Amino acid sequence: DTAVSQTPKYLVTQMGNDKSIKCEQNLGHDTMYWYKQDSKKFLKIMFSYNNKELIINETVPNRFSPKSPDKAHLNLHINSLELGDSAVYFCASSLGTNSYNSPLHFGNGTRLTVT
Amino acid sequence: GQQLNQSPQSMFIQEGEDVSMNCTSSSIFNTWLWYKQDPGEGPVLLIALYKAGELTSNGRLTAQFGITRKDSFLNISASIPSDVGIYFCAGQWDGGSNYKLTFGKGTLLTVNP
Repeated sequence: DTAVSQTPKYLVTQMGNDKSIKCEQNLGHDTMYWYKQDSKKFLKIMFSYNNKELIINETVPNRFSPKSPDKAHLNLHINSLELGDSAVYFCASSLGTNSYNSPLHFGNGTRLTVT
Repeated sequence: GQQLNQSPQSMFIQEGEDVSMNCTSSSIFNTWLWYKQDPGEGPVLLIALYKAGELTSNGRLTAQFGITRKDSFLNISASIPSDVGIYFCAGQWDGGSNYKLTFGKGTLLTVNP
């Protein structure tokens, strides 16, 4: 009964390929996120969706395209993968878009390795 | 943008010792959160702080929201081996429109049994 689950846990692929990471939350939250954690463990937000609507889009290359088919799912598709895309990608969710009493809950991450 | 300075970057302590780490910001926040990340897992929320001056405990963990709203600290008392991990502070300013946490760079804690 994992609250925020993402698949796959590991993803190894070659440069130029296209890949997707899936995320689902069963917490009944309205807002979902994608975060990227680099090799130095720094966490940075990439995207946020509230009720299937994109509300945060940081300076992320166009090769990254999130899709939210419903409130409980947020997928991340990456085109033309580059070496610099290697990182751990975390999905997260929160009850709303205001931080009060609505902290982020993270999934266990997808380690993407581009060779 | 907002930046968080988290210190120390790493700590090596003996089991039973107390630990203290802190975060400072260049601007004010109205929420401070402390997370712990174990290897191969996502960050897990430890303590949430929503009011300046607030002091909150969770077992052996205590965190405070600085009165200036620009800092927060986390204390761990009587450390045990399972306290090993990376601790992150995170701050949020809701004066903007959407929920965007800023994370510190983490404190790597090693506990020697």
